[in-house]
Order: sequence, then structure tokens, then C-alpha cells
Amino acid sequence: SQQGEEDPQALSIQEGENATMNCSYKTSINNLQWYRQNSGRGLVHLILIRSNEREKHSGRLRVTLDTSKKSSSLLITASRAADTASYFCATVVPGGSEKLVFGKGMKLTVNP
Amino acid sequence: GAVVSQHPSWVICKSGTSVKIECRSLDFQATTMFWYRQFPKQSLMLMATSNEGSKATYEQGVEKDKFLINHASLTLSTLTVTSAHPEDSSFYICSASNLLQETQYFGPGTRLLVL
Repeated sequence: SQQGEEDPQALSIQEGENATMNCSYKTSINNLQWYRQNSGRGLVHLILIRSNEREKHSGRLRVTLDTSKKSSSLLITASRAADTASYFCATVVPGGSEKLVFGKGMKLTVNP
Repeated sequence: GAVVSQHPSWVICKSGTSVKIECRSLDFQATTMFWYRQFPKQSLMLMATSNEGSKATYEQGVEKDKFLINHASLTLSTLTVTSAHPEDSSFYICSASNLLQETQYFGPGTRLLVL
């Protein structure tokens, strides 16, 4: 079953602009993770934010988490053409399982 | 570090044959491996979770006799698609983790086409 829902589902921007992707989920979580997938390839882990954290940074990435609204956002600043990919949020729910429940994904296109 | 490989990267087979996909953690011991399936332009759907030395746990709706999973060592898990049919054509991705990690490390995926 899928838990997360990314918004928007597709985004096209110019190089240098910022890209913001939102993710909503339905249940309580241990953590929320963002992954990137280049076309036809595996997933690359970008960043993890725990349920007791509100914001996290990694390079050009900024992730926020609002557990009261069950939502997260991923901000990519100063985008590059190489950022073109699909982005997925995934949650780990409490209960001891390490299972990731993925959202539907969002296709980001950064035009040079 | 944390590299996961899959083999083969793509496979074409005739309907009715069985196909084995290998997933290896190259530089760490994976206590848990996960198998996902992804249809074009869709998200990843977890098929099963396998722990080394024990039977895999399958997600609802996934036929365990159809998708055989073996996790015989801490670095290798295999997925066998038995009696493959065209509807089994998909992108299969594995991931691996151990007790020290909060994240999963993904393989590059295997594209299966059943004719």
C-alpha cells in the first residue's frame, strides 16, 4: 500500500531556480525519507528526518516535517540540470519493521 | 560505502520460464533485504522482506509461490520469478539494510520482459 502522496506530481523549472516538493502521509511515522531516482535506475537516498525533527539540511537540500499536518517538504535550491529525476518520499511507521512505504513520486525537470 | 548490486540488469525470457535475480550487498552485511516492483511511471511497491536465514515475509497480494525469495547469506538475496508471464514484466529493485542503519541502500534494478 502507498502512504505518501507527492505534490506536485510533475514540475518543470529553469536551472538556478528552487524546486519545492511536498509529501503528505496518513499514519504516524518513525521517520520520513526522500529518495531520488534517475530514469530506469535504482534509488538514491537523499535525506532522512525523524519524527521529532522539524527541519534538516544537506547541501542544497532542505527538508521540513510537520507531524501535526502529516506533511513534509523537500526544497532543492539553485537547481541544476543534473537534478532532473523522479523524487519519492517514503515513511517508516512505528512497530519495529524497517519497511519503507513510498509515495507516488514526483518528476522534476530542470531545463538548462 | 553501502553499495548494492543486482544481476542481471535486464532479462528477456519466454513465457513459462523462470528467472532468477540476484541482489548483493558489496561492502556491508545486510540483515534485511527488500524486494520491490515498479511499473512504468509508478512508485515502488514492496513485494517482500527477507531476513537472513529465515523465510521471507510477503506483502498482501504477492504470491509467495510465484516469487520465491532466498536470503541464504548476509550479502546475497535472490528473487526467482517462476513460470513468468507477460504481466510479470516490470522493473524489480532490491534494497538492503542492517541493524545499524536507518536507511535502505538500493540496487540499480533489473528490468524483466516476458514475451
